[in-house]
Amino acid sequence: KNEVEQSPQNLTAQEGEFITINCSYSVGISALHWLQQHPGGGIVSLFMLSSGKKKHGRLIATINIQEKHSSLHITASHPRDSAVYICAASRNYQLIWGAGTKQIIKP
Amino acid sequence: NAGVTQTPKFRILKIGQSMTLQCAQDMNHNYMYWYRQDPGMGLKLIYYSVGAGITDKGEVPNGYNVSRSTTEDFPLRLELAAPSQTSVYFCASSRGLAEGSDTQYFGPGTRLTVL
Repeated sequence: KNEVEQSPQNLTAQEGEFITINCSYSVGISALHWLQQHPGGGIVSLFMLSSGKKKHGRLIATINIQEKHSSLHITASHPRDSAVYICAASRNYQLIWGAGTKQIIKP
Repeated sequence: NAGVTQTPKFRILKIGQSMTLQCAQDMNHNYMYWYRQDPGMGLKLIYYSVGAGITDKGEVPNGYNVSRSTTEDFPLRLELAAPSQTSVYFCASSRGLAEGSDTQYFGPGTRLTVL
């Protein structure tokens, strides 16, 4: 069993839909990261969470430390949100990576 | 700031050849990392460094070497390239707060093929 599990693996939605990607981890962590990998391969950090909730534009990330679970929400999704979304857990100077969620938003 | 830069962008190696992937950052970050990403897979940590002169192995270090003589540069050396090392290599850096639990900034990647 992977230490960081994401679901779904693939997601296809229509423009405007509300999107949720889930991440569960089985290890003790100091922070949980959400990253975006563009179709061209570039990787950008979206959020780093150790508790509660963060919001940036149409993106919201939440974490429940007791349940070892985090979610990434995208409101009013747009085709430019099509990318791979990755959650990763910080532990002892290292990031433990989930396998990613490949998201396609259709116009 | 250029951020994190990597060279080359693409490279094809023959089995048994060696090469160095270059990584540099201009953000005065203490921590630097090398990852590989195989097709359709997540990132795996190869090596990391918490400061000049200090390096440590990650999850998949075999077949690679690193050095960190300056804060800015963190080259990755491949000795005796093998087809299993065909991958996209990403370098990243972070300030180094809270045992590395801070935002990582990624380079554009190097796509390496070993034939």
